[in-house]
Amino acid sequence: AQSVTQLDSQVPVFEEAPVELRCNYSSSVSVYLFWYVQYPNQGLQLLLKYLSGSTLVKGINGFEAEFNKSQTSFHLRKPSVHISDTAEYFCAVSWIQGAQKLVFGQGTRLTINP
Amino acid sequence: DAGITQSPRHKVTETGTPVTLRCHQTENHRYMYWYRQDPGHGLRLIHYSYGVKDTDKGEVSDGYSVSRSKTEDFLLTLESATSSQTSVYFCAISDARRQGGNTIYFGEGSWLTVV
Repeated sequence: AQSVTQLDSQVPVFEEAPVELRCNYSSSVSVYLFWYVQYPNQGLQLLLKYLSGSTLVKGINGFEAEFNKSQTSFHLRKPSVHISDTAEYFCAVSWIQGAQKLVFGQGTRLTINP
Repeated sequence: DAGITQSPRHKVTETGTPVTLRCHQTENHRYMYWYRQDPGHGLRLIHYSYGVKDTDKGEVSDGYSVSRSKTEDFLLTLESATSSQTSVYFCAISDARRQGGNTIYFGEGSWLTVV
């Protein structure tokens, strides 16, 4: 079975500071990895995904994530955050084989303070 | 805009009543999903469909049923709503052009309160 753990439920940072949102996963088989963002009262929007190849993945809005197979991690980073980045962020995995189903972490609420 | 419409967007219902949520897509995608979102749990898969009349259970399927009679519509039914089913429900879609790794697109959500 797969599981995803987001290590921080809330992350407060000041505007223009760097941020890292941590995600670890557990799976006995190879997986694809995703980060989604959810703004208040909206659905989820894909930030980036790792399928194969380079372990550093760049996404929208200046975010990037690095896949670390040995540590089974997929941490999300941004070098300088803006007020508009205030949202909830979800890490997710899906199996490479079979029906595509996402398993989500619990979410991390990112709050940007001026 | 991912071409997904959920209805109703907000609903308050009484315990024991049946409720149906509708998801409509305009993308002709093969896969459709229903997730529920609860604080501290992220999103959890209820049921999914991989084609017309082809559905399967997800992680939290008890108390829910689904139907897909047309490619574009995926219905989620709570046969007898309970307070534990108060949640935000998200429909999602994905095509099947590649084996896994396809982007899954989410609707705007349906807020259901069972009183």
